[in-house]
Amino acid sequence: GAVVSQHPSWVICKSGTSVKIECRSLDFQATTMFWYRQFPKQSLMLMATSNEGSKATYEQGVEKDKFLINHASLTLSTLTVTSAHPEDSSFYICSVPGRESYGYTFGSGTRLTVV
Amino acid sequence: GDSVTQMEGPVTLSEEAFLTINCTYTATGYPSLFWYVQYPGEGLQLLLKATKADDKGSNKGFEATYRKETTSFHLEKGSVQVSDSAVYFCALSDRGGAQKLVFGQGTRLTINP
Repeated sequence: GAVVSQHPSWVICKSGTSVKIECRSLDFQATTMFWYRQFPKQSLMLMATSNEGSKATYEQGVEKDKFLINHASLTLSTLTVTSAHPEDSSFYICSVPGRESYGYTFGSGTRLTVV
Repeated sequence: GDSVTQMEGPVTLSEEAFLTINCTYTATGYPSLFWYVQYPGEGLQLLLKATKADDKGSNKGFEATYRKETTSFHLEKGSVQVSDSAVYFCALSDRGGAQKLVFGQGTRLTINP
């Protein structure tokens, strides 16, 4: 499968500021990447599908103006949490479909804490 | 829509015990099925997968068989170790769709020495 690097692994920010999370596919050109959110002791919820060179596809209930996704190249997708609030504190994980049929590789995740 | 239901946790076992974590799914097509494992503070790692009915996925002593007739993909291991303590997620991917993963709620497993 693909090798995926996600950065930063953790971040603390003040309310009202914006935070950018990067997801890089190191050895695979990914036209699609997925962004998930995980609340403590809960499952992963798909937030959006990032599409290289076009707009992201957001899941129902996800605010696209708050969670900005940019997939500028085949190896990089970014998620920006704009005007963050404490309720945005969560674990965010990206994933990349791999070469093998239906194989997915996940980033190590980013723990965001908004204070 | 597609969905995955896992046995509720947490599950606590002694070392060398037999493990079963149940997983059933609902899908309109012919999904691929996965088990992922998440260690504390980390992302998800693929544990095993099966892409068609009757396939058996296996890795690190864990096994799961794709049962179309019962729409199940139960995870089993004959003898668990303390290092197996983690959260386990069952997931499916609908081949006909955008190939996004649908996850079960996760099962927290703790193995005591």
